[in-house]
Amino acid sequence: SQELEQSPQSLIVQEGKNLTINCTSSKTLYGLYWYKQKYGEGLIFLMMLQKGGEEKSHEKITAKLDEKKQQSSLHITASQPSHAGIYLCGADGGGGNKLTFGTGTQLKVEL
Amino acid sequence: SQTIHQWPATLVQPVGSPLSLECTVEGTSNPNLYWYRQAAGRGLQLLFYSVGIGQISSEVPQNLSASRPQDRQFILSSKKLLLSDSGFYLCAWSVGFVYEQYFGPGTRLTVT
Repeated sequence: SQELEQSPQSLIVQEGKNLTINCTSSKTLYGLYWYKQKYGEGLIFLMMLQKGGEEKSHEKITAKLDEKKQQSSLHITASQPSHAGIYLCGADGGGGNKLTFGTGTQLKVEL
Repeated sequence: SQTIHQWPATLVQPVGSPLSLECTVEGTSNPNLYWYRQAAGRGLQLLFYSVGIGQISSEVPQNLSASRPQDRQFILSSKKLLLSDSGFYLCAWSVGFVYEQYFGPGTRLTVT
């Protein structure tokens, strides 16, 4: 079964700093999804990457997919307290009916 | 518009007691339904998913079970809780694309 390992596991940055979160798959990636979760709440879908080399941006968050490395990265520019939460990558878990989620990265942004 | 409900929001149960968590969806028909468990600050573990009434796929062998008695109702149960069952339980639904899942508010379960 596919496994998604995220790094770092947790991250504390000062407001205004840039940061990168990585998601590495144990198998070939045919699509990769990024989600954000606030503590004690459900997940919010951020973006989907489907093709190698694809890059997408939403406000100050940019994600890239490197199929050869079986890896995706999420980059936040000029972090803000509103960016704090748990970031999760996800991939098709097989059959098109389920997702496999990454191990998660907990982000804290200090003032 | 679609809405997903989960209850209770928090639950404290002794070891060996039964469990029943309920999830209901409004505003959509024949959704795929999912139960996840999340350890503190970590990723989601898929426990069960269902593509239709009475159809349950189990992803992790454990003392939990799931049922879907109605199209938009998904229930997570246990006959005897273990300490390791503590965690944050999330229900989600999707129609169409699997990545486009909508999550409920979650239930925080503490087994003492």
